Amino acid sequence: GAGVSQSPSNKVTEKGKDVELRCDPISGHTALYWYRQSLGQGLEFLIYFQGNSAPDKSGLPSDRFSAERTGGSVSTLTIQRTQQEDSAVYLCASSLGFEINTDTQYFGPGTRLTVL
Amino acid sequence: AQSVTQLGSHVSVSEGALVLLRCNYSSSVPPYLFWYVQYPNQGLQLLLKYTTGATLVKGINGFEAEFKKSETSFHLTKPSAHMSDAAEYFCAVSEGYGGATNKLIFGTGTLLAVQP
Repeated sequence: GAGVSQSPSNKVTEKGKDVELRCDPISGHTALYWYRQSLGQGLEFLIYFQGNSAPDKSGLPSDRFSAERTGGSVSTLTIQRTQQEDSAVYLCASSLGFEINTDTQYFGPGTRLTVL
Repeated sequence: AQSVTQLGSHVSVSEGALVLLRCNYSSSVPPYLFWYVQYPNQGLQLLLKYTTGATLVKGINGFEAEFKKSETSFHLTKPSAHMSDAAEYFCAVSEGYGGATNKLIFGTGTLLAVQP
């Protein structure tokens, strides 16, 4: 079946612009995660949506970052007033449920963001 | 706070040789431990995971890892390397029993090169 998809695959933007990154999780998966992979910081957790519960936003690096998940499916990660240090690959993952011992996180291919 | 340390950012082995990728973790609660692999320009794929029970865990593609609580380690091994194993490998930890979230904390990754 279809895996996690992300769009766009690549995004180049100018410093100060806003960007939106999209994630389509695997159908039926109730949990959705965003991670960031950058040269300086490695793989970092950003935010986690679990069913209808309030999201865990503990990994968002600043208030310029926000994410929403509409209808329990598609998620959008928004970065406002982009900075060069935001350049990274943004990875989305989803899992069937939110039991870490049984529910594997499946990752999408990522969106490579370059801020000039 | 949980953390993961991967010793060796680059490991090179000959085809047919033993693969050993090292991972040590720090966790105040019983950890759940994971190994993910990332092929070039692809997302992360789960190789194996330890949650509870048997400490020797077998994964895909002939890889296995052993959870050693006394050494706080979860090293990844494969008896005989294949050219197709060349990729970047990430060790990750998550809060296990009693944990409040399912976010993964990743190590910095080990790039495995396989020489013919």
